[in-house]
Amino acid sequence: IAGITQAPTSQILAAGRRMTLRCTQDMRHNAMYWYRQDLGLGLRLIHYSNTAGTTGKGEVPDGYSVSRANTDDFPLTLASAVPSQTSVYFCASSDSTSGTDTQYFGPGTRLTVL
Amino acid sequence: GQNIDQPTEMTATEGAIVQINCTYQTSGFNGLFWYQQHAGEAPTFLSYNVLDGLEEKGRFSSFLSRSKGYSYLLLKELQMKDSASYLCAAVDSNYQLIWGAGTKLIIKP
Repeated sequence: IAGITQAPTSQILAAGRRMTLRCTQDMRHNAMYWYRQDLGLGLRLIHYSNTAGTTGKGEVPDGYSVSRANTDDFPLTLASAVPSQTSVYFCASSDSTSGTDTQYFGPGTRLTVL
Repeated sequence: GQNIDQPTEMTATEGAIVQINCTYQTSGFNGLFWYQQHAGEAPTFLSYNVLDGLEEKGRFSSFLSRSKGYSYLLLKELQMKDSASYLCAAVDSNYQLIWGAGTKLIIKP
């Protein structure tokens, strides 16, 4: 069982380009999340999905979009990347949407926008 | 506003005990998580407390005081592999996690 996979592992991107970060889980979890992690700051929630077909905005959603076409996949798209989006991006999932369930994290994508 | 405070960095000696503190201010409270994150890796779950008191899990224990808005993670018999960042996260009234910036723990031989 792989758990959660993310792709790519790392990416250098020119400003203004479009980029999709992929996330797939095989645990049949209902809830999925996208976070960004920046030095000196806590994990910040970008978008989340409580179940397939629904998504919601987190703390820092501007410049990002997500979709949840099925249970397993939760891609994050940067429509037009900017240097402030340089960060490490983590995808996570949890069994329920209660917020009190353990979140399981993918290995992360390190994104640099130049 | 909502806020989580934890020390930025701590240093301890192999074999010793260390306590990492976390204070929180959230709109409502539905429990507190501790996660461990090794450099360059994903966070992994350590503990979840929703009731006051101490919960022990092997070398790691986690304590919660809801009235004081305070938690700590206690690590005993420190090993070099315990060198990592420790993230505190409180669950607010909307069942969203509010994350602290993490405490980097350095273990010296």
